[in-house]
Amino acid sequence: DTEVTQTPKHLVMGMTNKKSLKCEQHMGHRAMYWYKQKAKKPPELMFVYSYEKLSINESVPSRFSPECPNSSLLNLHLHALQPEDSALYLCASSRGNNQPQHFGDGTRLSIL
Amino acid sequence: TQLLEQSPQFLSIQEGENLTVYCNSSSVFSSLQWYRQEPGEGPVLLVTVVTGGEVKKLKRLTFQFGDARKDSSLHITAAQTGDTGLYLCAGAPGDFNKFYFGSGTKLNVKP
Repeated sequence: DTEVTQTPKHLVMGMTNKKSLKCEQHMGHRAMYWYKQKAKKPPELMFVYSYEKLSINESVPSRFSPECPNSSLLNLHLHALQPEDSALYLCASSRGNNQPQHFGDGTRLSIL
Repeated sequence: TQLLEQSPQFLSIQEGENLTVYCNSSSVFSSLQWYRQEPGEGPVLLVTVVTGGEVKKLKRLTFQFGDARKDSSLHITAAQTGDTGLYLCAGAPGDFNKFYFGSGTKLNVKP
């Protein structure tokens, strides 16, 4: 069992829908991350939050909007996504900067 | 271009065989991590190597960090079907929390 919990596990949405992905960890980690992973590829970094502040945005389109309400929660708000955004979205956390990351099992997102 | 290159990209072997996976970069890393990912799941952390030349063992898995901290290897002895998965090396080359993953090695161990 992973200590990083992501919900939902699967999500199918139309291009005009608005939905949110959620991530929770209770390990006291102060850095949290969103990654996108396409089939047979390694994860690609999207966003990094450090001490609840956005520290890295890897030029992600504005249709993806991250939010860190507190040190245990990380959300990814989705709006007007494109079919090419279909992927596995992974959340991770680490104790601090450049520390090993612990991953959730991801949300499998399909855009119709 | 990938900051971390892994080889081989694919590996299919029989149970009981030995194998080595390589992770190479032209950049220096303060540490490197190795993960294994199974279909439908997130990557699971196997080990972190920190010191140049360091060797760590995890049962049948042996991890080595290069002396110059630019490369790492994973050796599996007597592979089992449960070792099947995607193996990923990863690290941050000095950038603040900017973590890079290697290109990945997909291992299939046949019974």
